[in-house]
Amino acid sequence: SAVISQKPSRDICQRGTSLTIQCQVDSQVTMMFWYRQQPGQSLTLIATANQGSEATYESGFVIDKFPISRPNLTFSTLTVSNMSPEDSSIYLCSVEGTGGNYGYTFGSGTRLTVV
Amino acid sequence: AQSVSQHNHHVILSEAASLELGCNYSYGGTVNLFWYVQYPGQHLQLLLKYFSGDPLVKGIKGFEAEFIKSKFSFNLRKPSVQWSDTAEYFCAVNMDSSYKLIFGSGTRLLVRP
Repeated sequence: SAVISQKPSRDICQRGTSLTIQCQVDSQVTMMFWYRQQPGQSLTLIATANQGSEATYESGFVIDKFPISRPNLTFSTLTVSNMSPEDSSIYLCSVEGTGGNYGYTFGSGTRLTVV
Repeated sequence: AQSVSQHNHHVILSEAASLELGCNYSYGGTVNLFWYVQYPGQHLQLLLKYFSGDPLVKGIKGFEAEFIKSKFSFNLRKPSVQWSDTAEYFCAVNMDSSYKLIFGSGTRLLVRP
C-alpha cells in the first residue's frame, strides 16, 4: 500500500493565522482525501482533492476556510485559514489503496493547537 | 442520514479475554466495510475490510469481523486479547462504492496485563 508523509506532525498556532499542511505520497494516486479528527471525536471528511480540478468539499466545509491544492498526482496541501481555537484538531491525509487493495491508507496526521 | 454507530465507547478487558466490538450502519444499499486501529501515538492502520464474498473476514493480528447484512452490522472479534491490543478501534463504511468513508465514533480498548 502507499506510504504517506505528512508535515508538520504538530504545530501550535496563534488565532487569526493560517497553517498549510503537506501530504506527499510515494506513488501516483487519483484521489487524495483530507479528514479532520476533533478532540475525542471520530474522523470527518473535509474534502476530496483530484489533480487538475477544484477540490470537492463536504457539507460544513468551505474553500475559503480550507483551501486545498493538488498540483500533481503525489502531492496535496490543506490550508487551515484564519484559525480559531475551534480548529484545534488532528488533520489527516488519506489515499485509496492501489494494486487491488481497496482499503484507504492514512498519513500520521498533523496535530494542530490554536491558542 | 447515513451513519455508523459504535455503541461501546470504552472497553476494559484483561489479557486473554475475548473481544467483540459492535458496529452498525444505517444504509440499505451496497456497502464496503472497514475496521481501522490506532495504537497510542501512531497513525490509523487497516485491520480488515469486507467488499464481497465470505461475510466472515479475517484480518491482521488475529482479528476477524462478520458482516451480517440483515442486521446492518460488522462486529469485530478477537478470541483472546493481548496487552498490545490497547488502542482505539474505528469502524468505517463507504456506501454504493462512494469514495467517502464514514467513520464511527471509535472504541477505546484498554487491555490490562
